[in-house]
Amino acid sequence: SQQGEEDPQALSIQEGENATMNCSYKTSINNLQWYRQNSGRGLVHLILIRSNEREKHSGRLRVTLDTSKKSSSLLITASRAADTASYFCATDQTGANNLFFGTGTRLTVIP
Amino acid sequence: DADVTQTPRNRITKTGKRIMLECSQTKGHDRMYWYRQDPGLGLRLIYYSFDVKDINKGEISDGYSVSRQAQAKFSLSLESAIPNQTALYFCATAGQGTPHTQYFGPGTRLTVL
Repeated sequence: SQQGEEDPQALSIQEGENATMNCSYKTSINNLQWYRQNSGRGLVHLILIRSNEREKHSGRLRVTLDTSKKSSSLLITASRAADTASYFCATDQTGANNLFFGTGTRLTVIP
Repeated sequence: DADVTQTPRNRITKTGKRIMLECSQTKGHDRMYWYRQDPGLGLRLIYYSFDVKDINKGEISDGYSVSRQAQAKFSLSLESAIPNQTALYFCATAGQGTPHTQYFGPGTRLTVL
């Protein structure tokens, strides 16, 4: 499978804490993207990091990419109950025309 | 109005029935995709299309067919539904070229009894 794998599968934290989720993949990529899915709804694009970038920020989101280890992490700082959702990484692989989605991390933020 | 819409949002059907799921978009994107989502398996690509004359199989196309009626419309059919096709189905769109950022519809929850 060309899907990424995410770790952990589920994460539960208190409001105000930081949440970190990781994504590993197997092939060369053009970029890696993170998406969010509220329960039963469509995925929403959060942030994209290109293969020549190592770190990117957007509001409370921080994404890192290590192409030598074929891994990425998504950090959500100062979490809120509204951040409760599933988070998916998706790789835009070299030579491919589609994204390959990971299996997701389910984040629960307890108020 | 939503940029990517899907109809119906929920459907319950019986084994052997033909089902069509429809997707429309107002984003002006050329690329459209159909995925299914099952618990613990993430999203799996069924079919994709890069323009009206282009149809490509994805990872799990068996048992499904698609039609790209216009740039804005991409429909997914289950010719003879079976229970293991019970899933959440998503349509997505993307513009040409990289990055292939995708925009998703709200999903159709399909139950095959």
